[in-house]
Amino acid sequence: NAGVTQTPKFRILKIGQSMTLQCAQDMNHNYMYWYRQDPGMGLKLIYYSVGAGITDKGEVPNGYNVSRSTTEDFPLRLELAAPSQTSVYFCASSYKPGSGETQYFGPGTRLLVL
Amino acid sequence: DQQVKQNSPSLSVQEGRISILNCDYTNSMFDYFLWYKKYPAEGPTFLISISSIKDKNEDGRFTVFLNKSAKHLSLHIVPSQPGDSAVYFCAAGYTGTASKLTFGTGTRLQVTL
Repeated sequence: NAGVTQTPKFRILKIGQSMTLQCAQDMNHNYMYWYRQDPGMGLKLIYYSVGAGITDKGEVPNGYNVSRSTTEDFPLRLELAAPSQTSVYFCASSYKPGSGETQYFGPGTRLLVL
Repeated sequence: DQQVKQNSPSLSVQEGRISILNCDYTNSMFDYFLWYKKYPAEGPTFLISISSIKDKNEDGRFTVFLNKSAKHLSLHIVPSQPGDSAVYFCAAGYTGTASKLTFGTGTRLQVTL
């Protein structure tokens, strides 16, 4: 199993550009999550999904959109990039909720908005 | 409002000694807690967890202690090894929230020779 994969690893965007961060998992997990981590900070939840076709906002959703058309994929869309979106983005997945089941994380995408 | 706090940004410990990483939380609804370890340029990896019905959980060199009355948990690493040098995140969640986790800001552990 590849686990959770993310592409690209690193990207530089100009202000106002848009892009999609890709995330895929091959563990047949229903639950998927997007986090961002700013320097010296913990991970903040952007969006999450409890299954194909179902998504919901996390703590910091503004400026982002998501979709979940399949169990495996959970892309994160930035429509109008702003310098405040410079961060490292992590995708994660888990099997079942609320049981203490751990989340499995991808390697991250480092995004720089200039 | 930081519901999960790790007040020590960094910790340096000699190889072979005990490392103790601390975490405090404010939300009494949290009923499970996890520790993640993160190396540079990698995603966090799960280390150990504890349910609120327990006060201790051990896994090899790693032990997590939970003090519910104080809303405090700690991770003990004994003995510490150079490969343990990483950033450690404390995270908390509660049943029924789709496994949404709230993370602390992390503690950078350096194990010196």
